[in-house]
Amino acid sequence: GESVGLHLPTLSVQEGDNSIINCAYSNSASDYFIWYKQESGKGPQFIIDIRSNMDKRQGQRVTVLLNKTVKHLSLQIAATQPGDSAVYFCAEPHNQGGKLIFGQGTELSVKP
Amino acid sequence: KAGVTQTPRYLIKTRGQQVTLSCSPISGHRSVSWYQQTPGQGLQFLFEYFSETQRNKGNFPGRFSGRQFSNSRSEMNVSTLELGDSALYLCASSLAGGRTSGANVLTFGAGSRLTVL
Repeated sequence: GESVGLHLPTLSVQEGDNSIINCAYSNSASDYFIWYKQESGKGPQFIIDIRSNMDKRQGQRVTVLLNKTVKHLSLQIAATQPGDSAVYFCAEPHNQGGKLIFGQGTELSVKP
Repeated sequence: KAGVTQTPRYLIKTRGQQVTLSCSPISGHRSVSWYQQTPGQGLQFLFEYFSETQRNKGNFPGRFSGRQFSNSRSEMNVSTLELGDSALYLCASSLAGGRTSGANVLTFGAGSRLTVL
């Protein structure tokens, strides 16, 4: 079945550095991916998405890269700030409406 | 515009009791989905409602149920609570039913944290 997984459960970076969070997926037919950010005490918040016809998509301080050859995507956060501390999830939609398949999440800690 | 609102935010129940959680979607959103989040299992899909009908269901026992009202507000109910039901229950809304994509992306509420003693 479908699955998405993250490589590292935790990531600690220095404030101002760039952060890279990785995610692997299993279904070569997957065509759409979403990154969510979940801060403590809050629900997941949409960050950025990417379709499989793209290799790269940029947002504000965030970039998502998609490598379909190795079924891997990454979220890059530039100039990481304390407010970026959160758990980050990659997700892909299931064919069932309303259903997302989430990875286990990477907890990003930003050291001042 | 207001986001997805979930009530109550926190609640404590004992085994065997039942609980009802409420979700008000973003205005104009007609689809409501529910998820359970636990440290061990992560985020797992419970069910989706659209136009007052349950359209999709995850792999949860029948103790978990829900409904949607004509104003798109939704409730979920868990009967005969077990210790393992302790979790953060998240509601998410989207414009329309169907596969999540683009403008139909899921927007989550802050969740209802249920503790079963």
